[in-house]
Amino acid sequence: ETGVTQSPTHLIKTRGQQVTLRCSSQSGHNTVSWYQQALGQGPQFIFQYYREEENGRGNFPPRFSGLQFPNYSSELNVNALELDDSALYLCASSPDRGNEKLFFGSGTQLSVL
Amino acid sequence: DQQVKQNSPSLSVQEGRISILNCDYTNSMFDYFLWYKKYPAEGPTFLISISSIKDKNEDGRFTVFLNKSAKHLSLHIVPSQPGDSAVYFCAASEIEGNKLVFGAGTILRVKS
Repeated sequence: ETGVTQSPTHLIKTRGQQVTLRCSSQSGHNTVSWYQQALGQGPQFIFQYYREEENGRGNFPPRFSGLQFPNYSSELNVNALELDDSALYLCASSPDRGNEKLFFGSGTQLSVL
Repeated sequence: DQQVKQNSPSLSVQEGRISILNCDYTNSMFDYFLWYKKYPAEGPTFLISISSIKDKNEDGRFTVFLNKSAKHLSLHIVPSQPGDSAVYFCAASEIEGNKLVFGAGTILRVKS
């Protein structure tokens, strides 16, 4: 059984650029959630996708957007990067949208200079 | 507005002794609570959970206690092992919720 995989593992961008992060969900899981973990803080919910539709969004501006594909993999896109976007971005999958037990990937460490 | 708080940034315990990690929450709509463990360069991994209808849940060396009236939960690890050294996150979700709300984490160091 393949777990949640994220790419890339590390990324360096400059302010104002755009970035796309990718996530492959665990086999059999149809729900993907994205979290941002800033240094010294816990993960913070960005949004969730269930069967290719957004199923809830946290307190993040519209320049954070996402997609889920028919194979349930997902992308997180961030436009107009700001210095405060520097963080670990975690993708988590679950068997269904009502399941709180999330399986996390190792994350993408984004640095914005 | 921190709805889930872990007030101890770090905890150091001797191998074989009990580790107690604490978590407080403010949102009375939370009905499901989880603990995650995170090693460096890895994502958080699920450890143990508890529903609001229970006050205790055990899984091997790990026990979670929930005090709803105090809006407090704790994770007990007995006996603690060096491999338990990690960051522990407390998380909570609402009924029919679609997200987890995490605390800031507690770094546990188990000394051999």
